Amino acid sequence: GAVVSQHPSWVICKSGTSVKIECRSLDFQATTMFWYRQFPKQSLMLMATSNEGSKATYEQGVEKDKFLINHASLTLSTLTVTSAHPEDSSFYICSAPGLAGLGAKNIQYFGAGTRLSVL
Amino acid sequence: GQQVMQIPQYQHVQEGEDFTTYCNSSTTLSNIQWYKQRPGGHPVFLIQLVKSGEVKKQKRLTFQFGEAKKNSSLHITATQTTDVGTYFCAGPEGAQKLVFGQGTRLTINP
Repeated sequence: GAVVSQHPSWVICKSGTSVKIECRSLDFQATTMFWYRQFPKQSLMLMATSNEGSKATYEQGVEKDKFLINHASLTLSTLTVTSAHPEDSSFYICSAPGLAGLGAKNIQYFGAGTRLSVL
Repeated sequence: GQQVMQIPQYQHVQEGEDFTTYCNSSTTLSNIQWYKQRPGGHPVFLIQLVKSGEVKKQKRLTFQFGEAKKNSSLHITATQTTDVGTYFCAGPEGAQKLVFGQGTRLTINP
């Protein structure tokens, strides 16, 4: 199946610094990618839709200036958490839609996720 | 907007017991998808159901899509410790977005 690579897998940073997370589709092109945030023992919360060559679409309540998304190529989307604070600590996961075979359409392939801890 | 509700939130069973999680959507769905997230891992696609009343099986897992295409269930027969994780259902919103249920966390006593 399709593979989505996400780096780094975990990061610890000081409050006030920025952190960049990369999401790559390894064997397929993705004009659209999704960024989720997941708190412990909770569901996936969609933050934004990353669109190749155009601006990202943010969900209601997500700060655009806080979470910068860039989708510069058909295989790479990046999420930058700017001026991170402890409340930004979370598990961030990206995904890309694709085909799963046997007729399945628009299923999502997820990256391994990034655990961000802001001190 | 579209809402996908999933119950129960948690389920603890003895190994060998059966397990079922239920998913209900506020709107009719073109398809429903199920994902599994192991502890510390990321969601992995399990299956997609498209037809009204569809039933699909994957070994001990049985997936159903309701006649009205608004609800779905996942049933695991004779659970094993490898079944531990959180199971999410998801319905499409728009062309490619998915709305996820809250998930059902399954824990198993060996």
